Amino acid sequence: DIQMTQSPSTLSASVGDRVTITCRASQSITNWLAWYQQKPGKAPKLLIYKASSLESGVPSRFSGSGSGTEFTLTISSLQPDDFATYYCQHYNTYWTFGQGTKVEIK
Amino acid sequence: QVQLVESGGGVVQPGRSLRLSCAASGFTFSTSAIHWVRQAPGKGPEWVAVISYDGNNRYYAGSVQGRFTISRDNSKNTLYLQMDSLRAEDTAVYYCAAPMGGNYFGPFYIWGQGTMVTVSS
Repeated sequence: DIQMTQSPSTLSASVGDRVTITCRASQSITNWLAWYQQKPGKAPKLLIYKASSLESGVPSRFSGSGSGTEFTLTISSLQPDDFATYYCQHYNTYWTFGQGTKVEIK
Repeated sequence: QVQLVESGGGVVQPGRSLRLSCAASGFTFSTSAIHWVRQAPGKGPEWVAVISYDGNNRYYAGSVQGRFTISRDNSKNTLYLQMDSLRAEDTAVYYCAAPMGGNYFGPFYIWGQGTMVTVSS
């Protein structure tokens, strides 16, 4: 099975900061990668799919990049609503999530 | 509006059974594969099972293979998860999720609100 590893596990940042989260796959997944945001008590929300495509309605400060085994989610200017946990997911041949990155207030 | 609503969660003893339901509205349920995903307390999501649009194909995670059964009734726009021989490690919030494009291998763009299953004596 393909394993997805995120880093860091926790990230402390301030409003306005540029934030980058990394996701590594144990083997190439081409660009079959999604990013989700989850807030406490809520379901995950799709942000990015196919590594870099922005889901409808998601603010443009979110962007994704990468291919093969290394991917990044970038928030260009962190907003108060962005403090949450973020997960990557591989969704081709199987469905595997990373362990999550919690973005907390510094 | 586009919606998935789960129900049927609760507290159950180890070894017992439980059936979850997921009611769909606002999209063409009968043409979409649908997944079950679970999330144990403090953990990341874990894929559980998927069923094809017509119910003819079903796939399971190894951790639930042989104990859980996914099914659907397209006339009722409803998805089910029959969970037998429950274990403590099955304790989680269970979500149903629809993939973009309706194909198995799409990102999960519609999620339910989740239903909590607690397996405890």
